Formats: sequence, C-alpha cells, structure tokens
Amino acid sequence: KAGVTQTPRYLIKTRGQQVTLSCSPISGHRSVSWYQQTPGQGLQFLFEYFSETQRNKGNFPGRFSGRQFSNSRSEMNVSTLELGDSALYLCASSFSNRGYEQYFGPGTRLTVT
Amino acid sequence: KQEVTQIPAALSVPEGENLVLNCSFTDSAIYNLQWFRQDPGKGLTSLLLIQSSQREQTSGRLNASLDKSSGRSTLYIAASQPGDSATYLCAVSDTAGGTSYGKLTFGQGTILTVHP
Repeated sequence: KAGVTQTPRYLIKTRGQQVTLSCSPISGHRSVSWYQQTPGQGLQFLFEYFSETQRNKGNFPGRFSGRQFSNSRSEMNVSTLELGDSALYLCASSFSNRGYEQYFGPGTRLTVT
Repeated sequence: KQEVTQIPAALSVPEGENLVLNCSFTDSAIYNLQWFRQDPGKGLTSLLLIQSSQREQTSGRLNASLDKSSGRSTLYIAASQPGDSATYLCAVSDTAGGTSYGKLTFGQGTILTVHP
C-alpha cells in the first residue's frame, strides 16, 4: 500500500508570493491533517479535514488555508508569504477523524527568501 | 491548552543499552498517544499508538506505557542499535474542544544517538 505523498518536496518562494502544497493520503484514508515544523516552534497543528470539511484549526493566521477534495486529497495554501513561513510542512492521513493512527508524508520543505 | 514535554532533550548511549524516553502532558483528557521517530530532514514514522483505555503497547524492541491519570508515557527501547539514532516524538490527540480527534499536540522530542 502506497504511503502518504506530498508534492512538491522542495520549494523556494519570495516574500509576498503565494504557494500551494498538495497531499495525497493513503488509499482508503479520509482524514488529512497538516502540520508546520520549525526548529524554534517544533511541530504545530495547522488544520484537519475529514469528508471535505475542516474539522479542526490551529492557531495560525488567515493567510494559511486548506481544502480537501472528494477523493480525500488535500491542498494547503499560504498567501502573502513571510520569511517566518519557511518550514517543513507535513501532511498526515488517518482512516477517520476518530483517533486512528496517523501516518505522515515526507513533507514539503518551503524556503521563503 | 494541552502541553507536552519530553525528557531528556538529548541522549547518547552505547550500543546494546536499554533506555527510557519520557513524555508528560498537562491535560489528561486525551483520546490517544502516539510515539514517532524522525530521521533528519524526513517525515515522521509512527512507532506505537496507545489508546487512552490502554496501559501499554509493544512492537519488537519497543514498549510504550501510558498512565493517563498522571499524564505520563514512557518509551522503552531494548538493546539499542546505531540504527535507532533519530529524534523521538511523543504526541497526544484530544478534541481541542470540538468533536474531531485529528489534532496532535507534539512534544519537542528527544534526540537519541546510539554509538557503536
């Protein structure tokens, strides 16, 4: 069974631009969560989607948004990029949103210059 | 607000040693607890999941225990090997006031180095 895939793996953007990251969950998984990992703050929860609906949201500004499609694939978007948005963005998939084991993808390394 | 703390922050041991990593959380109303390992620059690999109603889980040389009432979990690694070198992360799942359990709150991790 294929794991969680994330594209692109690496991205370099300029301040003020916007970016879209993609996550394909494990086949059969319907819940997708997104996390930001930085050396200073560690892993922080961004949001969770289940059945195309956002079920939970972390404490991030409105520049961070996401969505989930009917095939459970998810995208997250960051608008008006800031230098502090440079991070590893990780996506996790789970069978449902009821506390099942979460499986993480390899991440997208975003660098904002 | 849930807070997760991991001790020690770093650990260096010789190959073959048994070791214990600690995790504590402030709000005992968790749904489950998951241990992960992360290799440098990589994603997270799930090691063990303990439901809140369970006391421990075992997988190979790994054993994780959970004491929900005291807000503590330990990860025991037996007969450590150089390939075990990685960052180990503890994460708890709670509803965060809602009805969905997909939010994980992570500790800062323990950096483990096993030297030959």
